[in-house]
Formats: sequence, structure tokens, C-alpha cells
Amino acid sequence: AQRVTQPEKLLSVFKGAPVELKCNYSYSGSPELFWYVQYSRQRLQLLLRHISRESIKGFTADLNKGETSFHLKKPFAQEEDSAMYYCALGGAGNNRKLIWGLGTSLAVNP
Amino acid sequence: EAGVTQSPTHLIKTRGQQATLRCSPISGHTSVYWYQQALGLGLQFLLWYDEGEERNRGNFPPRFSGRQFPNYSSELNVNALELEDSALYLCASSLVGMGETQYFGPGTRLLVL
Repeated sequence: AQRVTQPEKLLSVFKGAPVELKCNYSYSGSPELFWYVQYSRQRLQLLLRHISRESIKGFTADLNKGETSFHLKKPFAQEEDSAMYYCALGGAGNNRKLIWGLGTSLAVNP
Repeated sequence: EAGVTQSPTHLIKTRGQQATLRCSPISGHTSVYWYQQALGLGLQFLLWYDEGEERNRGNFPPRFSGRQFPNYSSELNVNALELEDSALYLCASSLVGMGETQYFGPGTRLLVL
């Protein structure tokens, strides 16, 4: 079964500290993985996709097929990073939909 | 470029009534997705429409239905409302061929009393 697990509901760090938001997935094919972010009073928006291998706002995420993980990392957290982060798994063909983790609320303290 | 829009922003209904939620995708996007975000349950996939056809649906009863119009806007209908249908309903659009980058609307918050 397709599944996304984000083990931490809440993650609290201090400004300047490294941050890692964990995401594990279960999928039988070649996964498409995403991180979406929702800042306070804003809509869900794409942060990054594994297929792009890019860094957005200092965040990176590497797909590890052996560990079935797609953890989101940032070396130095900023207060404006405080938000809800969702990991999502995309299907292909007629299974084109997103399966979501429950999200991790990141709080970056001054 | 205008983003995905949804209406209404809030909707209050009573049990047994019907609710209709609307979504306008980003111009040029042909796919529309509906998700339910109920408290404590996270985002659950409801329906996917592309080019006017229903392409996939999630594990929801048939009283959740919808359609996509020729201009690619979409409507989600929920019949015989139950208390547990109270949730935030999100619409997303994408352009098939760009992978699954879905762009989300602000949502409609449905409250069933």
C-alpha cells in the first residue's frame, strides 16, 4: 500500500540550528516525492520536488530509495521557516494523485 | 497569473443537506484534484478530473461526486451530509505532463451541524 509517514508532529529548533524533517514512504514503483509548505494564513505551496534536485530557501531533500526516505534538511534554520511541512507521494498514469503525510509543524525559536 | 480560486470560503449546512463547492484552476491547467482535510486525518485524496472526465477517486462513498466543466473549472458535490464531512476541502490544479506539481487553492471550510 502507498503510504507516507512523517514521524514528528512538532519540531522545535533555535534559529541558526540545523533542521531535519523526516519523511518515509511506501511505494512499489518509482516514486515522485514532494515537500509542500503551508505558512500561517497562506495556502499550501510546493517547496521542492525530488525530480528537480534543487535547493529552495536553503532547503534540500534527497531521495534515498534504499531507506525509502525523503528527509528535508536545512543547515541553518530561520524564524521565517516556521510553518507546517507536508511530505507527499505522487503516483503516475491513472493513479495520478498525491498521498500525504500528516505533516510536521516546525517552530524556529529566536 | 491568478492562482487557483475556490468558493465559497465557508459553508455551513445541516445533516442530510447537500453541499456544492467550486474550484477554478490556473489558466491553462486541465487537471483538477479535490482533497479533504479533516481534523486529525491529514489530507485525503477525493477526486481527480482531467479534460472533463473523472480519472480517479479516493476511498470515499458515492455521495461525494463532482464534475469538470469545458472551461476546466470543477464542482464538488456532497450529498446527504454527515457530521464527519466537516472539513477543509482543498482543490488543486496541474498541467498534465509537468509531473505532479499541484497548485492549491485556499480551500472551502465546510461545517455540518
